[in-house]
Amino acid sequence: QQPVQSPQAVILREGEDAVINCSSSKALYSVHWYRQKHGEAPVFLMILLKGGEQKGHDKISASFNEKKQQSSLYLTASQLSYSGTYFCGTVRLNAGGTSYGKLTFGQGTILTVHP
Amino acid sequence: DVKVTQSSRYLVKRTGEKVFLECVQDMDHENMFWYRQDPGLGLRLIYFSYDVKMKEKGDIPEGYSVSREKKERFSLILESASTNQTSMYLCASRRGGPPSSIQYFGAGTRLSVL
Repeated sequence: QQPVQSPQAVILREGEDAVINCSSSKALYSVHWYRQKHGEAPVFLMILLKGGEQKGHDKISASFNEKKQQSSLYLTASQLSYSGTYFCGTVRLNAGGTSYGKLTFGQGTILTVHP
Repeated sequence: DVKVTQSSRYLVKRTGEKVFLECVQDMDHENMFWYRQDPGLGLRLIYFSYDVKMKEKGDIPEGYSVSREKKERFSLILESASTNQTSMYLCASRRGGPPSSIQYFGAGTRLSVL
């Protein structure tokens, strides 16, 4: 089952902030965030492995709420280069506390940053 | 740098043709994946392989098969292409072990079935 991302699209001006959410109906082992620019391969941003874990990457950071099975990606003081489609990918936790191996992606959030 | 190479960027095929999409990775990764990407639906997993000759169905395997005879190469096969298989196909690879490592993607093959 695919995780659900919201919003589907965001339009920003340079310097504005944005939040992209990712939620799953299943218990999660990890959440992965990728960005894809038009005509290019998706590129890795970050992985969150533990509940409550937050990671940062320049002005892009993310959090993972294990209990709510949700993750959020925060883009601060957006730049033109942030434009693209953002995907969250989730790895489910199985009954034994380990993971299924496959990474399942959401439907994507299109982020457009204007000057 | 890790490289995942898909043999074609664009392919045009006719309904009923057998189609092979090839993917090669150069990092000795155990795991390889095939996704299709459609607007509004994101990336959907078709098949994955965690070792040579091993394969598992993803979320949308119907109408597809795969082959992994060598570690570095993972092929997606459309036995009889149909128009609803027109899409962007992305290959990815990842090292083995817990799924906490980076998954690297190829640039994609845009397939049109007429």
